[in-house]
Amino acid sequence: DIQMTQSPSSLSASVGDRVTITCRASQDISNFLNWYQQKPGKAPKVLIYDASNLETGVPSRFSGSGSGTHFTFTISSLQPEDIATYFCQQFHDLPYTFGQGTKLEIK
Amino acid sequence: QVQLVQSGAEVKKPGASVKVSCKASGYMFTSYYMHWVRQAPGQGLEWLGMIIPSGGSTNYAQQFQGRVTVTRDTSTSIVYMELSRLQSEDTAVYYCAREWGGAQVYFDHWGQGTLVTVSS
Repeated sequence: DIQMTQSPSSLSASVGDRVTITCRASQDISNFLNWYQQKPGKAPKVLIYDASNLETGVPSRFSGSGSGTHFTFTISSLQPEDIATYFCQQFHDLPYTFGQGTKLEIK
Repeated sequence: QVQLVQSGAEVKKPGASVKVSCKASGYMFTSYYMHWVRQAPGQGLEWLGMIIPSGGSTNYAQQFQGRVTVTRDTSTSIVYMELSRLQSEDTAVYYCAREWGGAQVYFDHWGQGTLVTVSS
């Protein structure tokens, strides 16, 4: 199975800050990577697919980049409603494994 | 609009089985793959398996092989996930998730989740 390693596991930032989360794959997955946001008690919601494509309706402050084994997810200006846990997911091979998540809090 | 509505919470004893349902509506059921993902309390997301509703083909995570079975009923647009030989470590919220039908692979709609508690 492809292992996905996310960092950091938690992050505290202020409103307006630029926030970056990293995801590393244990092997080359090209751009077959998604980013999800999960708020407490809710199902995950896709924000970014194919490493850098913004899902329809998702604010443009969210972005993704990378290919191969190294990927980044960025919030350009943190908003209070962005408080959530963020997960990366590879879809290069089954099983479609997830990173362990990054819990984002407001400082 | 697309909706995935799951069955309610379950409490099971160790060694028992649980069957969770996911009723799809608002789209052509047989045209989209369906996946099952679980999340233990305070933990990350774990993929269990998937089904291609049109033909019924399945694929399971190796660690659940022999314990998980995903089936579908095309007449009612329901997908089922059955997990057997439950242990306390199987306590989790179980989600069904629809795979977007385009060239990209991502889960565009999710059920509300079903809490399965395994306790003696």
